[in-house]
Parts: sequence; C-alpha cells; structure tokens
Amino acid sequence: GAGVSQSPSNKVTEKGKDVELRCDPISGHTALYWYRQSLGQGLEFLIYFQGNSAPDKSGLPSDRFSAERTGGSVSTLTIQRTQQEDSAVYLCASTVTVRGGYTFGSGTRLTVV
Amino acid sequence: KNEVEQSPQNLTAQEGEFITINCSYSVGISALHWLQQHPGGGIVSLFMLSSGKKKHGRLIATINIQEKHSSLHITASHPRDSAVYICAVFLQGAQKLVFGQGTRLTINP
Repeated sequence: GAGVSQSPSNKVTEKGKDVELRCDPISGHTALYWYRQSLGQGLEFLIYFQGNSAPDKSGLPSDRFSAERTGGSVSTLTIQRTQQEDSAVYLCASTVTVRGGYTFGSGTRLTVV
Repeated sequence: KNEVEQSPQNLTAQEGEFITINCSYSVGISALHWLQQHPGGGIVSLFMLSSGKKKHGRLIATINIQEKHSSLHITASHPRDSAVYICAVFLQGAQKLVFGQGTRLTINP
C-alpha cells in the first residue's frame, strides 16, 4: 500500500484480556519496528524485524508482549493479560533499509480499563 | 540522563518567527532523524542526517558530529507547524532508534 497501515486505530479492552494489534508495512520494506508512546512520554522501542533475521525483542517490557511477522510482511503485536500500564499508542514503522527513512503508521490507541 | 536530550521541551511563538529546536546526544551515532508528530498522533519523518545540513521547504536541519548536536530550524513559522518535533538517533552498531522526549511547538497566528 501507499503507507503503513495499522489496525485497529482505537482499542478499549478490559484488564486481563488479550489484544492483537496489526501492522501492514509498505510493500518492499524489509525492516519493521514497533514502538510505544505512553501518555506524556516519549517513544519507546519494543521490537524490530529485519528480513528473515531473528527479531530484536530487547524492548519488550514483559513476557506478556510478543510479536510476529509473517512472510516478511504483516506484523502482529500481541499483549496477553493486559494491564492498565499497557495503555498507550502503539506505533509501527517500516523502512527499506535499517538506516533508511522511516514511514510511521497512524498508531493504535490502546486503553485498558 | 537520557542519551538524547532536546530543548526546549515546549516552545510558543508567533506566526512568522524563526524557530530553533536543539538536540544533543551522548553516544556515537550513525544517523540522526527529525520527526514531526501532529496532534492526531501521526508521525512524519522530516530528515535523516549523518553530516552537514539538509533543507526542505521552510525546514532546515543541521548536525555537528564532533559536538554531538543537531538543530532543526523553521523559517517563517506558521500555525500549521504546530506539532511535537522529535529527535531520534541511530546508535552505532545498533539496529534501532533512540528517541528524545520531543519539543512541543505552538505557533500562534
């Protein structure tokens, strides 16, 4: 597509439920990143996928968070047993090369109540 | 201390003013990005720099690698420039960006 597409744009979930966030990167972009922005906070790196290499999961805050990227394209970020501190905007970005210009999606605003 | 520091955190100016936002970093980098985040949350990549200066329209970005400092300038500022401007660096040997806390810019008509 023309840009990075994320869905849903908004998600309200009850504490303890699992959620899945989706990112559809720009076709041909080999690198895909997930970031999180909590209210009033800066952007926080979560996970990075590059081609067929093992993902860099060093930013995932707990083992309740996981992500996968199928076929080198669409990525899903899963949060299990959501907590209120998980409430944030989750942003996906893709780039052709690791050090190239980034294109960000519009984000998913997650609210855990 | 954050690896990437921006100043000011908040900036309010009148339309037409020349704007400067600063970014200092304390680590070795291979590239620096300036990003713009609008109130709706969307993020746009403005510049990627590894040396020197880049210009796009009314926006100018400079970087001094020796001083570990970058500036983003906006000439003839306009209310539509109101946004959060984020500096992010690509650490040497790493594969991810480290972000500053952002500068919230408000341009009043």
